[in-house]
Amino acid sequence: AQKVTQAQTEISVVEKEDVTLDCVYETRDTTYYLFWYKQPPSGELVFLIRRNSFDEQNEISGRYSWNFQKSTSSFNFTITASQVVDSAVYFCALRSGGSNYKLTFGKGTLLTVNP
Amino acid sequence: DTEVTQTPKHLVMGMTNKKSLKCEQHMGHRAMYWYKQKAKKPPELMFVYSYEKLSINESVPSRFSPECPNSSLLNLHLHALQPEDSALYLCASSPRGKSAGNEQFFGPGTRLTVL
Repeated sequence: AQKVTQAQTEISVVEKEDVTLDCVYETRDTTYYLFWYKQPPSGELVFLIRRNSFDEQNEISGRYSWNFQKSTSSFNFTITASQVVDSAVYFCALRSGGSNYKLTFGKGTLLTVNP
Repeated sequence: DTEVTQTPKHLVMGMTNKKSLKCEQHMGHRAMYWYKQKAKKPPELMFVYSYEKLSINESVPSRFSPECPNSSLLNLHLHALQPEDSALYLCASSPRGKSAGNEQFFGPGTRLTVL
């Protein structure tokens, strides 16, 4: 069975603060893929990143960065200098062949960035 | 064009009505998905079509009937729904069939209310 835990249900920050969203995963498969999605109030899930289990390099894309640590089964997401437009629900998700390719989502973290 | 479109955006229907949700993508993706999302919850997988064949049915009640007329279109036919079926219905597609490494691209969703 696979599982994704996002322990932070809600986070509130003031604009320009840095914020880290935590994601811890469980899987028995040796090959798996991790994803982050953003869901603004409009409802559409926006794909942010995919990370393969065999690639532990961290990634930076503008104000976004991701820290993948297999040793702690974590795939954390940091937003630097947050902006009001970053306000959304963020989902971490896991997918592996052993799960019949089902995308397992965490419960999501609601991020509110206040001006 | 990295867009998945869904119509209608909003739908209100009675329990005796028959309606359909439509999803379209022109990215040449070979897998398409239906998800159901209740408020403050992550999306739940309903159906997966891979190369236009139904690949996964997550034990969805028969009042939901999916159809994939061609590689670009996905429909969800609704009949005799219950008020608890009210939710956001999301369509997604991924490039290379249903394999684990594909990121899924989501549409904006149809917000369904069953009276």
